[in-house]
Amino acid sequence: DIQMTQSPSSLSASVGDRVTITCRASQDIANSLAWYQQKLGTVPKLLIYGASTLQSGVPSRFSGSGSGTDFTLTISSLQPEDVATYYCQKYNGTPRTFGPGTKVDIK
Amino acid sequence: EVQLLESGGGLVQPGWSLRVSCAASGFTFSSYTMNWVRQAPGKGLEWASAISSHGAYTNYADSVKGRFTISRDNSKNTVFLQMNSLRAEDTAVYYCAKDLGSGPPDALDIWGQGTMVTVS
Repeated sequence: DIQMTQSPSSLSASVGDRVTITCRASQDIANSLAWYQQKLGTVPKLLIYGASTLQSGVPSRFSGSGSGTDFTLTISSLQPEDVATYYCQKYNGTPRTFGPGTKVDIK
Repeated sequence: EVQLLESGGGLVQPGWSLRVSCAASGFTFSSYTMNWVRQAPGKGLEWASAISSHGAYTNYADSVKGRFTISRDNSKNTVFLQMNSLRAEDTAVYYCAKDLGSGPPDALDIWGQGTMVTVS
């Protein structure tokens, strides 16, 4: 099975900072990569699919890049409402593995 | 409004069975692959199972294969997860989630609110 890893596992940044989260697949998954945001006590929300396509309604400060095995999620200017755990997920083939998550909070 | 509503969770003893359901509304249910994703208390997301739009194809995570069965009733816009031989490690919130597109496997764009299953 393809394994998904994320780094860092947690980060603390100031409002307005640029934040980058990395996701790595153990094998080539082309661009079959999604990013989700889960705020405490809420349901996961799709942010990005196809590695770089912004889901409708998601603020433009979120962006995704990468293909193959290395992917990044970037928040260009961190806002207080972005405090959450972020998960990547590969969705080509089975299992559709999630990464372990990156917890983001405000410094 | 596109909506998924899970039900059927509860407290069961190890070895018991439970069936959770997810009722869909607001979209053409029979066109989309449906998934179950679970989240143990304080832990990350774990994809558990998927079923193709007309039920011909099913897939499972190794952790549930042979114990869980996913099915759907397109006439009732409902997807099910039959869970047998439950273990303590199956304790989690179970979410159903819809594939974004109606073709190849895709990201999950609509999630239900989840139903809690406790095995103890």
